[in-house]
Amino acid sequence: ETGVTQTPRHLVMGMTNKKSLKCEQHLGHNAMYWYKQSAKKPLELMFVYSLEERVENNSVPSRFSPECPNSSHLFLHLHTLQPEDSALYLCASSQGVRPAQETQYFGPGTRLLVL
Amino acid sequence: SQQGEEDPQALSIQEGENATMNCSYKTSINNLQWYRQNSGRGLVHLILIRSNEREKHSGRLRVTLDTSKKSSSLLITASRAADTASYFCATDANQAGTALIFGKGTTLSVSS
Repeated sequence: ETGVTQTPRHLVMGMTNKKSLKCEQHLGHNAMYWYKQSAKKPLELMFVYSLEERVENNSVPSRFSPECPNSSHLFLHLHTLQPEDSALYLCASSQGVRPAQETQYFGPGTRLLVL
Repeated sequence: SQQGEEDPQALSIQEGENATMNCSYKTSINNLQWYRQNSGRGLVHLILIRSNEREKHSGRLRVTLDTSKKSSSLLITASRAADTASYFCATDANQAGTALIFGKGTTLSVSS
């Protein structure tokens, strides 16, 4: 295991539901990330948090709302999603906030299906 | 915009054979990384190569970088069934290195 856990592993939700994805890292890292992986598309960076502060928001729709209460936990709150939001959502962490220069550790992902 | 693009999209080989995957990118980079992803799982970091390096090794993995051609290759020697996975290259999204751009990946299938 990588030291990054995600729950739930699978989630089915309707377009009017509200749900949250949780990520926890046990590595003492300072930066955490949310990525979206859709079929046939490259991995897309959604949000970056460094020491609980959001440092990057890649034009993500407001129906995705991240929360980082401390450096070990990261949430992604979901509301009024669309079917095209169905994807694998991956959480990652790294020691510093320059992922291009260091190793990122990924969780196993949450497979989300929006009906 | 997409930075790294892997080639081929899919590769099928027999155990014991070598597998070579290529990555091309468009703009200058400081670093390039390779990741592996088993089906439906998270990504695992394999190797990071810096722009001033030409080759790096890690066990059965060998990565080369040619900045003049804006390309990198990942070679897996003596492949095993457990190497079956998707392989992605990732490059700097900006000069500060605060984000990565991933390619679509090469799906490698190793049969015994």
